[in-house]
Amino acid sequence: DAGVTQSPTHLIKTRGQQVTLRCSPKSGHDTVSWYQQALGQGPQFIFQYYEEEERQRGNFPDRFSGHQFPNYSSELNVNALLLGDSALYLCASSLTPPGHTEAFFGQGTRLTVV
Amino acid sequence: AQKVTQAQTEISVVEKEDVTLDCVYETRDTTYYLFWYKQPPSGELVFLIRRNSFDEQNEISGRYSWNFQKSTSSFNFTITASQVVDSAVYFCALSEGWGYGQNFVFGPGTRLSVLP
Repeated sequence: DAGVTQSPTHLIKTRGQQVTLRCSPKSGHDTVSWYQQALGQGPQFIFQYYEEEERQRGNFPDRFSGHQFPNYSSELNVNALLLGDSALYLCASSLTPPGHTEAFFGQGTRLTVV
Repeated sequence: AQKVTQAQTEISVVEKEDVTLDCVYETRDTTYYLFWYKQPPSGELVFLIRRNSFDEQNEISGRYSWNFQKSTSSFNFTITASQVVDSAVYFCALSEGWGYGQNFVFGPGTRLSVLP
């Protein structure tokens, strides 16, 4: 049973460019959340998708957008990249309610903006 | 507002020592969940334990144990007889409410180094 898979593993982009990160959830999971983890810090919640809709959003600008597909996989898009967007982007999948099941995380995409 | 504090930035212990990682949280909800995750150098967050706000019973699972005290808003995590493979960054996380829209608020993490 494959866990959460993210692609690509590493990415280098130039300031001002756009980037798309991809996530396939663990089999049977229907909810995908995205987190940004800056170096030396804890992950910060970006947004969560369920039934192809954004259900909750953290304190991130509109440059961060996402999508969930019918097969539950998800994309994170970041426009007009800034140097400060350099971070590890983690995708987490879980089962939607009831209950707060543990989320399973992917290995992340390391984004470097130069 | 939700907040999770991990006062210990880095801890170093010698193999076989016991180590306790501290976590203090803030929430106004009466229903919430607390988690511990481990992040090895590979980057993937690995689930360790979960506790809900209605269950303060402390448990032991193998070499792991935790101490949940609502009176002090603390959720401490102990590794008994530490091993080199335990070296990682450990995150405490809080999740509030019920239903979809659940998300985690993570603490800043504690880097644990277990020396041989």
